[in-house]
Amino acid sequence: DAGVIQSPRHEVTEMGQEVTLRCKPISGHDYLFWYRQTMMRGLELLIYFNNNVPIDDSGMPEDRFSAKMPNASFSTLKIQPSEPRDSAVYFCASSLSAAAGEGYGYTFGSGTRLTVV
Amino acid sequence: SQQGEEDPQALSIQEGENATMNCSYKTSINNLQWYRQNSGRGLVHLILIRSNEREKHSGRLRVTLDTSKKSSSLLITASRAADTASYFCATPSSGNTPLVFGKGTRLSVIA
Repeated sequence: DAGVIQSPRHEVTEMGQEVTLRCKPISGHDYLFWYRQTMMRGLELLIYFNNNVPIDDSGMPEDRFSAKMPNASFSTLKIQPSEPRDSAVYFCASSLSAAAGEGYGYTFGSGTRLTVV
Repeated sequence: SQQGEEDPQALSIQEGENATMNCSYKTSINNLQWYRQNSGRGLVHLILIRSNEREKHSGRLRVTLDTSKKSSSLLITASRAADTASYFCATPSSGNTPLVFGKGTRLSVIA
């Protein structure tokens, strides 16, 4: 398996534009997570899915953020409209369970660095 | 909210020295995990220790867990320049819930 694949690696957009981040999890992982990383707040969980179903989206900062998982091999995180304060690195991760207690942990993608100007 | 907090925030050592990082957490846990993040990359899982374990080893890594003090430590022995990275502890907030990460310790190993 090539690991968790995220695209794009970098995104620069103007305020007000729609941004779509993409993620392909590891095959066989039932859980998918979207995290956001900033210097000020560290890693924050935005939303997670179990078997393609959103379980908890309480970390999504505003209605401008939405996430979907139409099938087991693809998820998107959309921001519409984007704002400068959305600038951050967005990570997708997948695992066998939410707490990853089996010992294998989460597998993270390389992240998307989003800059909103 | 932050479940784990690492200490120190930054650490700089010479190659060959040992590096110790600490993590404190707030609630009861069933496992605690350590991750490494190289600059510009995603986090990589290093090691997991369960609540009924006190110490665990993996190569040059040694992790301890003190549930009475709600703290864990990660020791990297005989550090190398390639160990330069940020190190994070993470725990589920309760049961089978997603991991909550601390803000990390930035380790610099100088050759």
